[in-house]
Amino acid sequence: SQQGEEDPQALSIQEGENATMNCSYKTSINNLQWYRQNSGRGLVHLILIRSNEREKHSGRLRVTLDTSKKSSSLLITASRAADTASYFCATDAKAGGTSYGKLTFGQGTILTVHP
Amino acid sequence: SAVISQKPSRDICQRGTSLTIQCQVDSQVTMMFWYRQQPGQSLTLIATANQGSEATYESGFVIDKFPISRPNLTFSTLTVSNMSPEDSSIYLCSVVAPWSGTSYEQYFGPGTRLTVT
Repeated sequence: SQQGEEDPQALSIQEGENATMNCSYKTSINNLQWYRQNSGRGLVHLILIRSNEREKHSGRLRVTLDTSKKSSSLLITASRAADTASYFCATDAKAGGTSYGKLTFGQGTILTVHP
Repeated sequence: SAVISQKPSRDICQRGTSLTIQCQVDSQVTMMFWYRQQPGQSLTLIATANQGSEATYESGFVIDKFPISRPNLTFSTLTVSNMSPEDSSIYLCSVVAPWSGTSYEQYFGPGTRLTVT
């Protein structure tokens, strides 16, 4: 399996519900970032969590990081139809204590929020 | 966040030809990267294009196929050479925000959607 795998691959919910997406990775990381992509367009940066952080919030987004399990989750609360998109996690791996800014992406979760 | 633009936004090209994609950033950045996203897939790093050094390519990508220029701290180009239908993808540039310190927060351009016929 690859660095930065995500589950579920697809998630379908109703407006107002919460959406949770999970990401697993294999190597030691400097940070983990979450992105949103609408219909094959550019990636929108959502949030970055450092390896020494366990939880981070930004508006309706909550990200957790468990480095012992090499996993992260993205929670979107009170979802809206406009949240419909693909969501990707990306890890910035450490190599000998140095980060090179090279991101490894998960396969992504396709979120559909029904009005 | 950094404002990143790419040209062209999309193109349809004939096999055997080459296309040069431009990436322009509104601030000076040291670290810049090029990614490819094949249809229905995730993103894969092509190369690192740091100013002042030769581009470094990831496994599976070679300079003859994807030559990169990085003439200054705000601009880079990626050329897709001798194209085949397998090169049909979205190509994205990204930069590490210089104000993010050791966090290496990374922002992406809007992408160039390439179709090779």
